[in-house]
Amino acid sequence: SYELSQPSSVSVSSGQTAIIPCSGETLGDKYVCWYQQKPGQSPVLVLYQDKKRPSGIPERFSGSNSGNTATLTISGTQAMDEADYYCLTWDSNTLHYVFGPGTKVTVL
Amino acid sequence: EVQLVESGGGLATPGGSLRLSCGASGFTFTDHSLNWVRQAPGKGLEWVSSISSGSDHIYYADSVKGRFTVSRDNAKSSLYLQMNALRVEDTAVYYCARETTMPTPLFDWWGQGTLVAVSS
Repeated sequence: SYELSQPSSVSVSSGQTAIIPCSGETLGDKYVCWYQQKPGQSPVLVLYQDKKRPSGIPERFSGSNSGNTATLTISGTQAMDEADYYCLTWDSNTLHYVFGPGTKVTVL
Repeated sequence: EVQLVESGGGLATPGGSLRLSCGASGFTFTDHSLNWVRQAPGKGLEWVSSISSGSDHIYYADSVKGRFTVSRDNAKSSLYLQMNALRVEDTAVYYCARETTMPTPLFDWWGQGTLVAVSS
């Protein structure tokens, strides 16, 4: 079955850039979306189709996907961005969705 | 506004059963596939099951296949998850999530979740 990997945690100073990778075999051939989840809340979509932002998501959230790695970048990270971030893709072979294990972003 | 409201969670014993429901409103129910996603305490998100708008395409994660059954009632705008042969490791918050494929498959709306606890 298809698997995705993410670092368990990323720390970033306020105002700096957080980079969150998501890796999987030939992930660049698939579309990836990203969810933000704060404690006690449901996940919120922050990026889709690798790099597009839903309405209401700040411009500081951006993404890319190439080779085996998709990346969520948070520029000018703010305290409100402290959350768990999950990548998601759809495996066309199994017709299953696959989540990454999640990355906890801590803003120092 | 789109709303997804899960219910039916609670305490079950290993080997027991529970049936979750998800009531939907604010959108055309039959325009979307729906999914169940779960999250064990302190753990990450895990996709559980997907059902197409006409119930003709149904998929399950390997971890629940043969034990869980997803269904929907389009007349009632409701999604269900029948969970049998429950295991301790099924303990989780279960989310109902609306799927969209425009432009790519993803979950664009989530419910607030319902907690299932499996313990003896």
